Amino acid sequence: GAVVSQHPSRVICKSGTSVKIECRSLDFQATTMFWYRQFPKQSLMLMATSNEGSKATYEQGVEKDKFLINHASLTLSTLTVTSAHPEDSSFYICSAADRGLGNTIYFGEGSWLTVV
Amino acid sequence: DQQVKQNSPSLSVQEGRISILNCDYTNSMFDYFLWYKKYPAEGPTFLISISSIKDKNEDGRFTVFLNKSAKHLSLHIVPSQPGDSAVYFCAASENTDKLIFGTGTRLQVFP
Repeated sequence: GAVVSQHPSRVICKSGTSVKIECRSLDFQATTMFWYRQFPKQSLMLMATSNEGSKATYEQGVEKDKFLINHASLTLSTLTVTSAHPEDSSFYICSAADRGLGNTIYFGEGSWLTVV
Repeated sequence: DQQVKQNSPSLSVQEGRISILNCDYTNSMFDYFLWYKKYPAEGPTFLISISSIKDKNEDGRFTVFLNKSAKHLSLHIVPSQPGDSAVYFCAASENTDKLIFGTGTRLQVFP
């Protein structure tokens, strides 16, 4: 079964609204989680590193005020797309490493966001 | 600046034959490399990995080769099966869990 779970798997929102995507590690604690996005037929691009109890670290070119990341517990990180625009429509994926299992990196199932 | 590249966007192989997917990287500090298989609108599925201290790692039908001097790695799948048809991504990391992905290669295995 999944060890990293994302919710929702699909979401449609109106332009200008905000949408939250959750990423949970189910069987292990993750002090660090990562958020990626993938446009159709393109690679997975790292957006940010989510750090439990501290601020997220964003990759160059990613607007931190637009993509709010909160890692409030050792098993949950959330990505909030604020004031969404159609160009934010993308596939968002999170990952986390199980340090108790040889540092195996697990990915969530992904969340498909469509902004209309 | 694409640090990890997969120069072949697609590959077509007959069932039973070997599939070879290639990946090149530019950052000499990368010390861990992984291959993932991905279907549309799903998260990547881990296949196999290799540390920079090794040049080969094998797991069943999957073998990854690493040539550090050439900054090149490859994934061999043998024998290829129709169920292997998917997009394959190589990824690299520099002593962290943060992965940098390649551009992907779409593999199609036909009967």
